[in-house]
Amino acid sequence: DVKVTQSSRYLVKRTGEKVFLECVQDMDHENMFWYRQDPGLGLRLIYFSYDVKMKEKGDIPEGYSVSREKKERFSLILESASTNQTSMYLCASSSWTGEQYFGPGTRLTVT
Amino acid sequence: TQLLEQSPQFLSIQEGENLTVYCNSSSVFSSLQWYRQEPGEGPVLLVTVVTGGEVKKLKRLTFQFGDARKDSSLHITAAQPGDTGLYLCAGGETSYDKVIFGPGTSLSVIP
Repeated sequence: DVKVTQSSRYLVKRTGEKVFLECVQDMDHENMFWYRQDPGLGLRLIYFSYDVKMKEKGDIPEGYSVSREKKERFSLILESASTNQTSMYLCASSSWTGEQYFGPGTRLTVT
Repeated sequence: TQLLEQSPQFLSIQEGENLTVYCNSSSVFSSLQWYRQEPGEGPVLLVTVVTGGEVKKLKRLTFQFGDARKDSSLHITAAQPGDTGLYLCAGGETSYDKVIFGPGTSLSVIP
């Protein structure tokens, strides 16, 4: 059974803190993605990666960075968390077919 | 810029009723996927359609890809409370491309 796991289901951080969200997939997929999901705004792509050490900006990369040192792991970093980054963060991986497999999500609250 | 529109945005029906939700675009997609997302969880892939005019069935769910590969529909027969969730369509220009997600249709099936 395919599996994408995320390091935390719920996270509460203070403004200005550095936040790491980790995602691991066990399907040997080349492609990995980070989205945020907000009511009324849908799924928005933050960053994606087609290969190890490669990254591409999505639609809303500002305030975020990513790291992909190993094929199975894709990390999202909030360098200095702000309240407007309170959101549901979803990681996904995909094969060459483009079908995406999502993790359970991390609900991040920045106070 | 590719955009996917979904209608209706919200749908509340009684158990046992039939319903259809739509996904439309002005762009041509190489494939289109449907996902269902339950509250607090990540989206789960239901089906992928790749050929214009293709029809796929998944138990009580019927998916159709438009002849021109610009639109798709999801029909649910005899809806059940377990069908409640957010239904997302997503399309990609090529197999290797990042997909574009629609805003979703939020379905509530009342017992």
